[in-house]
Amino acid sequence: AAGVIQSPRHLIKEKRETATLKCYPIPRHDTVYWYQQGPGQDPQFLISFYEKMQSDKGSIPDRFSAQQFSDYHSELNMSSLELGDSALYFCASSLDAGETQYFGPGTRLLVL
Amino acid sequence: SQQGEEDPQALSIQEGENATMNCSYKTSINNLQWYRQNSGRGLVHLILIRSNEREKHSGRLRVTLDTSKKSSSLLITASRAADTASYFCATDPFPSGTYKYIFGTGTRLKVLA
Repeated sequence: AAGVIQSPRHLIKEKRETATLKCYPIPRHDTVYWYQQGPGQDPQFLISFYEKMQSDKGSIPDRFSAQQFSDYHSELNMSSLELGDSALYFCASSLDAGETQYFGPGTRLLVL
Repeated sequence: SQQGEEDPQALSIQEGENATMNCSYKTSINNLQWYRQNSGRGLVHLILIRSNEREKHSGRLRVTLDTSKKSSSLLITASRAADTASYFCATDPFPSGTYKYIFGTGTRLKVLA
């Protein structure tokens, strides 16, 4: 069965650079979520989209922005990267709010 | 503040034994889910239990939910070395159908062969 696809899987950036992470949800899933998991930490909710509109927002820095496109894929844009942004970034999708969220494999971002 | 807290934080058992992990949360929930994560890799969905359910089974997994105590437990029976992973509970807090999960701190399970 198709799963959530994230790209890239690994990314290395310098401080103050910009990064764009992409997420392709499971077909027919219209809700996308982004989570950040620091080393040894639990996943923290960043932001979510339903039908291309932002639906909820968590602890997402102002330096980050995200959107969901007409084909339901989502992109997380991260600017002015800081060392503390190094983490695993997960995207998840679901058929609807409150339904099971299926997670992608994550993008491992390393900021040097 | 953290919604979910899990205990124990770490658990080491012998293959064939049962493993029980507990999750407590603070606010009312719509549903609660358990996920497994192998060493910095993706989160694999295990079981979803809704607030009006008390127990669910899936293979060797059994999940219970006590909304009066705001707690859930995950039991893995006849554990295997391949069950070694971190286990997280995630809650979908009220109101119903919110667009985020709040994860617990996780239990690191190690199953010794």
